[in-house]
Parts: sequence; C-alpha cells; structure tokens
Amino acid sequence: EVQLVQSGAEVKKPGESLKISCTGSGYSFATYWIAWVRQMPGKGLEWMGITYPGGSDTRYSPSFQGQVTISVDRSINTAYLQWSSLKASDTAMYYCARIATMAPDHHAFDLWGQGTMVTVFS
Amino acid sequence: EIVMTQSPATLSVSPGERATLSCRASQSIRSKLAWYQQKPGQAPRLLVYGASTRATGIPAKFSGSGSGTEFTLTISSLQSEDFAVYYCQQYNNWPPLTFGGGTKVEIK
Repeated sequence: EVQLVQSGAEVKKPGESLKISCTGSGYSFATYWIAWVRQMPGKGLEWMGITYPGGSDTRYSPSFQGQVTISVDRSINTAYLQWSSLKASDTAMYYCARIATMAPDHHAFDLWGQGTMVTVFS
Repeated sequence: EIVMTQSPATLSVSPGERATLSCRASQSIRSKLAWYQQKPGQAPRLLVYGASTRATGIPAKFSGSGSGTEFTLTISSLQSEDFAVYYCQQYNNWPPLTFGGGTKVEIK
C-alpha cells in the first residue's frame, strides 16, 4: 500500500526540542519531493518547506526559515521536521505530503500522512 | 510572494444544491492551481490539479475552472459527505506552494 505514516502525538514544554517523522512506503521514496504543512488549531494550511530525498535538496517557506529544520534519511524512507526550542505558538497539527507530477509541469500533494499533533504548554 | 485569497470564508448550502467557491491569485499563476478537501479530523485530499483536471477517483460533481488569477471550484448536488473545508493552492514556479485561507462549506 502506498502511504505516508507519521510519528505519534507529542506533548512538550516550551524550550524543549522535538523531531517528528514521516515514513513512506509502497513507492520510490527517493523520487518524490516531500512537503511539510502546518495547521494551527481551527486554522488553514500553511506550507512550511520541502525536501527531495533523492538529492537532499531542501527549501523553506520564508515564514518558517530558521524556525524549523527539515531533513531526510533516505536509507529508511523517512523525512523529519525538527525544532530546537519549541514555543507555545508551535502547537499545531503537522502533515507531511508527497508532491507528485500529475502531468507535465503540473504538481500536487497527492498523498498525505495522517498528521502529527504537537502540543506545547508549560 | 503570491497571495491566494479564497471567498467566501463560509458558504451555507442546502443538500442537493450547488456550491461555487472562488480563489484569486495576487498575480498570474497560469493554470497551476490545485484544490483540496479537508473533513474534520482528516488529512486533506487532492481534488483537482491544473485548475480543472480531477485527480484519480474524484467524482465528476467536482469541477474546477479558471486560469491566470481567477479560479472556481463548483460542487454540484451537495451531499452530506461534501460538507468540508476546501483549499486552493498555487504551484507556479514552486516553491513556494501557497495555500488559500480555505472555504468552509456548511449545511444550510
């Protein structure tokens, strides 16, 4: 089965570090970009950044540059999103998604993980 | 950076009626637009890419149109499973891959 499976919910305190994961299976993980998307409680979707497992190329949204780190371990088909010092405002659901080439020059998030809820409070 | 604006924020529709959702880009994105549906407690689901091409398995009741800066998603004969939040996303010269703020389609 083609799927992205994310790590479980996390409850952390402000200032703590965190790394969440997204593991792909059933397809060639290295040949698709992976995106991370934030959804704060009751709010919309925000694109955070993307990474290409096959070439370790990573790009960030200006809104998240310097706030998070995206990485990948191609050997275990897993992408990561990490924080070095969490804030209460990082409380949100985080999704990973696969970016597929749907047609020449057309791309979309065709496969999504189930989401990882991160709660930060003191 | 391209800004995507969706309207209305909330759309109240009676079952069986049609819903028309709008998405506007701050500059031309050609036809590089996707639409997603998100139900409560679920991850988003791809509906349309290329502004008007339905993704695999998406029923014909979902119809996308537009190009340049103005786009529309039309949902015909709304059923209970169609009440959800819908997002547009541009992917012209990505990254960035900007989402609109979403339109919630609720039961009238």
